[in-house]
Amino acid sequence: DAKTTQPTSMDCAEGRAANLPCNHSTISGNEYVYWYRQIHSQGPQYIIHGLKNNETNEMASLIITEDRKSSTLILPHATLRDTAVYYCIVRVAWRADGLTFGKGTHLIIQP
Amino acid sequence: GAVVSQHPSWVICKSGTSVKIECRSLDFQATTMFWYRQFPKQSLMLMATSNEGSKATYEQGVEKDKFLINHASLTLSTLTVTSAHPEDSSFYICSARAGLDRSNSPLHFGNGTRLTVT
Repeated sequence: DAKTTQPTSMDCAEGRAANLPCNHSTISGNEYVYWYRQIHSQGPQYIIHGLKNNETNEMASLIITEDRKSSTLILPHATLRDTAVYYCIVRVAWRADGLTFGKGTHLIIQP
Repeated sequence: GAVVSQHPSWVICKSGTSVKIECRSLDFQATTMFWYRQFPKQSLMLMATSNEGSKATYEQGVEKDKFLINHASLTLSTLTVTSAHPEDSSFYICSARAGLDRSNSPLHFGNGTRLTVT
């Protein structure tokens, strides 16, 4: 899996968009970008994933740069319940083994 | 859809006893499930891969005789911590993929089991 770099922590005001960056400069052409989050004392929750194109679902948007070396997860209207550790993981889709988690970004939503 | 259920959500046991944790895929079948462990203020660490109908594969440094894994059906995997000791106290989390094993379908995770060994 390609190495990813995320900021250790970020703050965001409630109601504003939270933009979480992830660098993955060594990503290969067949690797997807996955985002998960872990709210305190819970299991990780899948958010979104993409290969090349930008993706949007009911939780978030994923913006992948044209060279695919970085991406941004956007939570459009952050709420206090979005406070969590967010993990950006890059991997080949057809691998059948488990995910490798890094340290992630601790996003704190401020009231 | 794609719900993974873990039971119990927390357990306290005495040193030397064994504890069984169940992981169920509620609305899909999973030929492969994964077990993770997470210590306080650390990230998730993959312990083992549970394969339905065959032996589990363990990550380096994880004792297979201590962490017994059984994946007897396509919807249930169990992790038994044998002869538990205080250093086994941790947050144990299972996960499974709803789609084909070799696809871009995401993994879905249970809500974890907090084990405290006294």
